[in-house]
Amino acid sequence: DTEVTQTPKHLVMGMTNKKSLKCEQHMGHRAMYWYKQKAKKPPELMFVYSYEKLSINESVPSRFSPECPNSSLLNLHLHALQPEDSALYLCASSPISGTPGAQPQHFGDGTRLSIL
Amino acid sequence: GESVGLHLPTLSVQEGDNSIINCAYSNSASDYFIWYKQESGKGPQFIIDIRSNMDKRQGQRVTVLLNKTVKHLSLQIAATQPGDSAVYFCAENTGGFKTIFGAGTRLFVKA
Repeated sequence: DTEVTQTPKHLVMGMTNKKSLKCEQHMGHRAMYWYKQKAKKPPELMFVYSYEKLSINESVPSRFSPECPNSSLLNLHLHALQPEDSALYLCASSPISGTPGAQPQHFGDGTRLSIL
Repeated sequence: GESVGLHLPTLSVQEGDNSIINCAYSNSASDYFIWYKQESGKGPQFIIDIRSNMDKRQGQRVTVLLNKTVKHLSLQIAATQPGDSAVYFCAENTGGFKTIFGAGTRLFVKA
């Protein structure tokens, strides 16, 4: 079983809907990540939070809005998505020690998102 | 590296043989490298990592080799088993928390 829990596992939404993806970890990790993965492609970094503050936004469209309400939770709020946003959305966490980012990331199993 | 094309590179090996998966990374300043395994329907799973001050690191049945001169990383899996069938990604940390994944290689293990 993965130590990073993502809900829901699957989500189908229309282009005018608002929904949220949730991610939770209880490993005490203070860095949390959102990735987008299209079929047969590698994960692409979207956002990174460190100590609950946004550290990296990889020029992600504003229809994706991340939130880190506490050290265990990470949300991704979705609004007015496009069909090309259909993908697997992965959450990951890692400890922070020494050089930032130089620790392996623990991934959840993702939310498979389909935009109609 | 950049992911191109519609099809993942594929490596097919016989059960019990050794597997070698290669990766070219993009940033000469990257100082931390990781191999992940992704099975169908799952998220990537950490296998082994290596820092730029090393050129070889061994784990249980896996070895990672790093050649900084040519920006090349390889993963060796000894005595490959059917459970090793998956997509394998190399990843590089390019500074701060930024991690870039390589294109991936699909490993098929024939029984």
